[in-house]
Amino acid sequence: QVTLKESGPALVKSGQTLTLTCTFSGFSITTSGMRVSWIRQPPGKALEWLARIDWDDDKFYSTSLKTRLSISKNTSKNQVVLTMTNMDPVDTATYYCARIKGAAYDFWGQGTLVTVSS
Amino acid sequence: QSALTQPPSVSGSPGQSVTISCTGTSSDVGTYNRVSWYQQPPGTAPKLIIYDVSYRPSGVPDRFSGSKSGNTASLTISGLQAEDEADYYCSSYISSSIFVVFGGGTKLTVL
Repeated sequence: QVTLKESGPALVKSGQTLTLTCTFSGFSITTSGMRVSWIRQPPGKALEWLARIDWDDDKFYSTSLKTRLSISKNTSKNQVVLTMTNMDPVDTATYYCARIKGAAYDFWGQGTLVTVSS
Repeated sequence: QSALTQPPSVSGSPGQSVTISCTGTSSDVGTYNRVSWYQQPPGTAPKLIIYDVSYRPSGVPDRFSGSKSGNTASLTISGLQAEDEADYYCSSYISSSIFVVFGGGTKLTVL
């Protein structure tokens, strides 16, 4: 059974760095073809892809946010970590991690709401 | 601005059928049979309901079906039920480091 769960602070201040952890089970991120992404959704708005890490440790970032993002994995803990620097109130959103199978996000975490105060 | 274009909203009455479109380009939807659809009821995480244009994951009712013509993919929900009221997002493989692009989402209202 595949599960993912996001964890991190619910509230951060402008200018601070956000660190989110995705803890997963039911698969190994070292398996060939496995990928995990971070996706966010501002209140009432659409999904926005942020970053992805692949089984071979390749990393990819949203063009508009790449200077602020860093993604990594801890295979022994079954975790994927996202950091976002210089947080702003416009970054207030629900942040999801999701597994990619083929070209579909087949399993999602429940999401974690992060509010950025000015 | 999303890479794939969806209508902001659609509506239908219980028992009716509705179709949601997802328009891309020859760089994504038009070339690859890698379109997915996600259902997101209010306050919940997205759930995969269609992958690779027309395949349903286990447990998804066959009332949900997907198709594609040219640069436009479609999700059809037949026998509409109140529980189908949700936001629906499409996505497509794209041959770049982004890998998958999303649509802007469509709000389905069951009248």
